[in-house]
Amino acid sequence: EVQLVESGGGFVQPGGSLRLSCAASGFTVSSDFMGWVRQAPGKGLDWVSIISVEDIRYYTSSVKGRFTISRDISKNTLYLQMNSLRDEDTAIYYCAGGRGASWGQGTRVTVSS
Amino acid sequence: DVVMTQSPLSLPVTLGQPASISCRSSQSLVFSDGDTYLNWFQQRPGQSPRRLIYKVSNRDSGVPDRFSGSGSGTDFTLTISRVEAEDVGIYYCMHSIQWPWTFGQGTKVEIK
Repeated sequence: EVQLVESGGGFVQPGGSLRLSCAASGFTVSSDFMGWVRQAPGKGLDWVSIISVEDIRYYTSSVKGRFTISRDISKNTLYLQMNSLRDEDTAIYYCAGGRGASWGQGTRVTVSS
Repeated sequence: DVVMTQSPLSLPVTLGQPASISCRSSQSLVFSDGDTYLNWFQQRPGQSPRRLIYKVSNRDSGVPDRFSGSGSGTDFTLTISRVEAEDVGIYYCMHSIQWPWTFGQGTKVEIK
């Protein structure tokens, strides 16, 4: 059974940083697309970043230059390093495997002064 | 970017009756490999999204057969043959043909 468990969310002031982690089991993080989807309060779903099997990384325009997606195959874990955080980055961040085949429970990120 | 447009955005349904959600993309979702990368997701209140349908019409494991997907090119439909109480939530279509992958606005299904 595939399981994705996110951690690392929290409260941070604008300009701050957080690193989200997504530990995978029953699934190898390098075997398919993996990525991060966020959901702002009361809003819909938005892909933030994905990483391909070939290690090609994609970012939505609003986070380019601020967020970095990576994976550690030895730990079977996906990461999202988030720097220069803004109020509008406040959301629940979900880790997703495949083209959305599997999802974690989400981790909440709140950016506020 | 490919724009995904769903309708309706709100869908009150009667238990046991059918329900359909439409999703239209701003360009064809047929990839160079011949597959069409259109998925449907369900998000129940307070829960993570769950994929129901991939590549237009393939049900994910454990998804009840009352859910079905159809369509081609730019026009797609999710159908629930007989709505049950546990189907309440928001349904999203999503493409993954090119980056950025995008979701539709979501359709809120509620019981009348």
